[in-house]
Amino acid sequence: RKEVEQDPGPFNVPEGATVAFNCTYSNSASQSFFWYRQDCRKEPKLLMSVYSSGNEDGRFTAQLNRASQYISLLIRDSKLSDSATYLCVVNMGYSTLTFGKGTMLLVSP
Amino acid sequence: DVKVTQSSRYLVKRTGEKVFLECVQDMDHENMFWYRQDPGLGLRLIYFSYDVKMKEKGDIPEGYSVSREKKERFSLILESASTNQTSMYLCASSSGRALYNEQFFGPGTRLTVL
Repeated sequence: RKEVEQDPGPFNVPEGATVAFNCTYSNSASQSFFWYRQDCRKEPKLLMSVYSSGNEDGRFTAQLNRASQYISLLIRDSKLSDSATYLCVVNMGYSTLTFGKGTMLLVSP
Repeated sequence: DVKVTQSSRYLVKRTGEKVFLECVQDMDHENMFWYRQDPGLGLRLIYFSYDVKMKEKGDIPEGYSVSREKKERFSLILESASTNQTSMYLCASSSGRALYNEQFFGPGTRLTVL
């Protein structure tokens, strides 16, 4: 059973659109949740942590649903510079982080 | 800002060669990690270390070893490189005792084994 699952995309959206990604995870004991962003041929960088109460950072909103074991990322007013791969990251129990394979976003003019 | 550096951005080696990939972090982080990233497979954990001289196997340790003689430096060793080890190798570090804190990544080393 895959531990962190994401739709690989690509999601093709026009500038200004709102786009949402979901990610499911298999371990109900997970405590740490993150969204990372990875640009083409670059290293992953933290976009935001995901808290139980949900959190917002500018145009980005992350939510956690423990009962259904999924997290989401909402991007409002998409910019060309948002084009990247978004990695869902979850810890499995008390161990290290597990990275999803990523969802590719392409924002077009 | 946390800085994680890796010794090479690109490396080309021949089958059977011994390969050393070096990673250095400057934020006094306790934990360091080595991943490889391949198209369609995502990031996979090779080895990690939570203290000097301590190492733990990740999900795909076969064909690799590691060394952590100093807190800031974590080396990945391919004892006898093979073509299926051609990949992007990413080093990361994190602070604290928990292994599931936010990780900071180096720029990666793209290794090609001929």
